[in-house]
Amino acid sequence: QLQLQESGPGLLKPSETLSLTCSVSGGPISSSSYYWGWIRQPPGKGLEWIGSIYYTGYTYYNPSLQSRVTISVDTSKDQFSLKLSSVTAADTAVYYCARQDILTGYSSTDWGQGTLVTVSS
Amino acid sequence: QSALTQPASVSGSPGQSITISCTGTTSDVGGYNYVSWYQQHPGKAPQLMIYDVTNRPSGVSDRFSGSKSGNTASLTISGLQVADEGDYYCTSYTGSSTLFGGGTRLTVL
Repeated sequence: QLQLQESGPGLLKPSETLSLTCSVSGGPISSSSYYWGWIRQPPGKGLEWIGSIYYTGYTYYNPSLQSRVTISVDTSKDQFSLKLSSVTAADTAVYYCARQDILTGYSSTDWGQGTLVTVSS
Repeated sequence: QSALTQPASVSGSPGQSITISCTGTTSDVGGYNYVSWYQQHPGKAPQLMIYDVTNRPSGVSDRFSGSKSGNTASLTISGLQVADEGDYYCTSYTGSSTLFGGGTRLTVL
């Protein structure tokens, strides 16, 4: 069974760079059938797609975050990572990683449990 | 690009049916059959309920169904149960991005 696990610092100061890693187990990240995505959810608010990456390194990002976001993949470690620069309090959220199935309209059956990142001085 | 539009809340009684709408544009919902629906309970990751507008993943009850007309997709839950209470989100893949709806809180009275 596929498992995804987010990891990274839970507390950041404004202007710092958020760095999270999603470790994938139970299946290779280098599959032609999937993209790997990051989604976030501010406390008490809705879900927001951040961006996604293919195992080859091809990425596509939410236009509203594109200038601050970098997603990368390490197929040797079955991990993919998120970097979000110049964070503010508005970036405080639970960050989820998920597998997006190309064959089912890029929907996500498999999600990480989520990790809370708080931005505060 | 704007988020897809969902009603903030809907409610129903056990046994009844409810429908949640998700309105987009010809660039997303109307242009692709890539609408998905997720259920989320407090403190939990979202769970996929519908993909490709009408399809249910294995293990999802057939009380959940999806449809689309023009730029609006809909999720219908029949035979409401207390366990159905939670937040529901639609998404649409647009070819270059993924859009989420603002979410709908379902209350089972």
